[in-house]
Amino acid sequence: DAGVIQSPRHEVTEMGQEVTLRCKPISGHNSLFWYRQTMMRGLELLIYFNNNVPIDDSGMPEDRFSAKMPNASFSTLKIQPSEPRDSAVYFCASTGTSGASSYNEQFFGPGTRLTVL
Amino acid sequence: DAKTTQPPSMDCAEGRAANLPCNHSTISGNEYVYWYRQIHSQGPQYIIHGLKNNETNEMASLIITEDRKSSTLILPHATLRDTAVYYCIALNNNNDMRFGAGTRLTVKP
Repeated sequence: DAGVIQSPRHEVTEMGQEVTLRCKPISGHNSLFWYRQTMMRGLELLIYFNNNVPIDDSGMPEDRFSAKMPNASFSTLKIQPSEPRDSAVYFCASTGTSGASSYNEQFFGPGTRLTVL
Repeated sequence: DAKTTQPPSMDCAEGRAANLPCNHSTISGNEYVYWYRQIHSQGPQYIIHGLKNNETNEMASLIITEDRKSSTLILPHATLRDTAVYYCIALNNNNDMRFGAGTRLTVKP
């Protein structure tokens, strides 16, 4: 398996623009997570899905952020409008209950480095 | 989930064992102790987890005290590639994993 795939790897945009980050979880995994990492706040959980259903979005900073999971193999995190303080690395992770993996062993993607000017 | 406390940084000589402590004095009976690490510019990577018993895998060993209020992650023969931030997390059966500041381990030649 290719692991968790995220795109784009780097994104530079101007304040006010819409940004869409994409994630493809590991095939067969039924939970997907979005995290944000900054120097100031560390690694924060934004939202997670179980079986494509959002379970906890309490970490989403504000209404400018939205996440969807239309099917088991794809998720998006959208920021509209973007602001400079949204600059961070955004990670997607997935986990599943099958195979030898522990129930909560999360597999992380390489991240998307977002810069909002 | 219980809060965990880790030293902000540690050094270790290459080839020696690295022992990373974690305090989780408020851990509840159904919470596991998980360890992840994050090598610079990469996503976090799972290392090991345990509930009560000590655990060992190809990456590390996890020693959990009998009262479960603290644990130690042991990298038996640290290499330069083990330089990373190590996170200790107390987690029950949900998926709500909260990362703290972790311990920045520097392995020196």
